[in-house]
Amino acid sequence: SSELTQDPSVSVALGQTVRITCQGDRLRFFYASWYQQKTGQAPILVFYGKNDRPSGIPDRFSGSTSGNTASLTITGAQAEDEADYFCSSRDTNNVWVFGGGTKLTVL
Amino acid sequence: QLQLQESGPRLVKPSETLSLTCTVSGDSISKSAYYWGWIRQPPGKGLEWIASIYYSGITYYNPSLKSRVTISVDTSKNQFSLNVSSLTAADTSIYYCARHDITIFGRFDYWGQGSLVAVSS
Repeated sequence: SSELTQDPSVSVALGQTVRITCQGDRLRFFYASWYQQKTGQAPILVFYGKNDRPSGIPDRFSGSTSGNTASLTITGAQAEDEADYFCSSRDTNNVWVFGGGTKLTVL
Repeated sequence: QLQLQESGPRLVKPSETLSLTCTVSGDSISKSAYYWGWIRQPPGKGLEWIASIYYSGITYYNPSLKSRVTISVDTSKNQFSLNVSSLTAADTSIYYCARHDITIFGRFDYWGQGSLVAVSS
């Protein structure tokens, strides 16, 4: 079982806000990073750290952490945001782990 | 623009060893502050980190795979490689190479397109 826990699926109405969560003890000490993966494509980094978004990622993607839970929020979800989302983090032994992934459906 | 490209066999037999290479272009693999890693994804399933290496040769492994995996780097060719031994059908996956930083962020910011490897007789 993954040491980072994600809900398997989440749905959101077009234009509404959705939060995807990732839970794990290591998140108390290390930031999560978030990846979007569309069918047949490699993952891409969409958010990391406290408040960091790679160049080219829309500002509707944001993140936060509280205790052992990290969240990725999409404000005003678009049809093109439909994808699988994975969180990831490291630990003190330099071991990286990914969450099981959340399938986002935009209705 | 940094690019990573995986290369290797598409089909390997059970019990054999898989060898994959990631060729990095657009920047030097010897740049400090970055690790170079392998991640795999069984068809229709989630991502699993396998191993990472620093240009100096420092390595880190997924404890669940460590006994069967070796990662290495060739700075002269700007490449890093992965060997997975004692293959079974469970090792059938898309294998990605990626760059990630060594800070508390640990983010994987550049990925290869992935290489699908099937383990079958």
